[in-house]
Amino acid sequence: DAGVIQSPRHEVTEMGQEVTLRCKPISGHNSLFWYRQTMMRGLELLIYFNNNVPIDDSGMPEDRFSAKMPNASFSTLKIQPSEPRDSAVYFCASSSGMRNEQFFGPGTRLTVL
Amino acid sequence: QKEVEQDPGPLSVPEGAIVSLNCTYSNSAFQYFMWYRQYSRKGPELLMYTYSSGNKEDGRFTAQVDKSSKYISLFIRDSQPSDSATYLCAMRGGMGNTGKLIFGQGTTLQVKP
Repeated sequence: DAGVIQSPRHEVTEMGQEVTLRCKPISGHNSLFWYRQTMMRGLELLIYFNNNVPIDDSGMPEDRFSAKMPNASFSTLKIQPSEPRDSAVYFCASSSGMRNEQFFGPGTRLTVL
Repeated sequence: QKEVEQDPGPLSVPEGAIVSLNCTYSNSAFQYFMWYRQYSRKGPELLMYTYSSGNKEDGRFTAQVDKSSKYISLFIRDSQPSDSATYLCAMRGGMGNTGKLIFGQGTTLQVKP
């Protein structure tokens, strides 16, 4: 199994630019989670989906952040416009049920200059 | 006050030492308790999973939960340099909970040969 796949692995962009992070969950998993990790705030859940439907987006910081899951094998997290305080590592995780073990991808390291 | 508190360390021990990692929490609704291990530049991976109070042992690792004190621990016996990583505690509620995990800040452990 290839595990959770995220792209890009690293992204450097300038303030004001649009950033799109991508995630392919493990085949057969029906729950998908987006997290953000920083030194100051640790690992925070941004949003999660079950069967492609957003269940809880209370962790999305503001309207500049949006996430979609058009099908069971693909999800995106978009930041528009990006700001320096968005610099963090963004993880995608998937599980075979909302309450089951979450498997994390390798993360996307985002730097906004 | 954060829902889950974890000392970020760093914690440095000699090879072979017994390591104790701890988290405290404030939400009495938490029923499921997990420990994740995160190597540098990698995503977290599940290490231990316990339900309610009690102990669980897996090889050199022992997880303890004391719900009366709202305190959980992870013990590592005969620590090895390969155990050097960041350890994150995570927890969530019981029946009816939608699966949202709350993570601690993580404790960075270094085991010196």
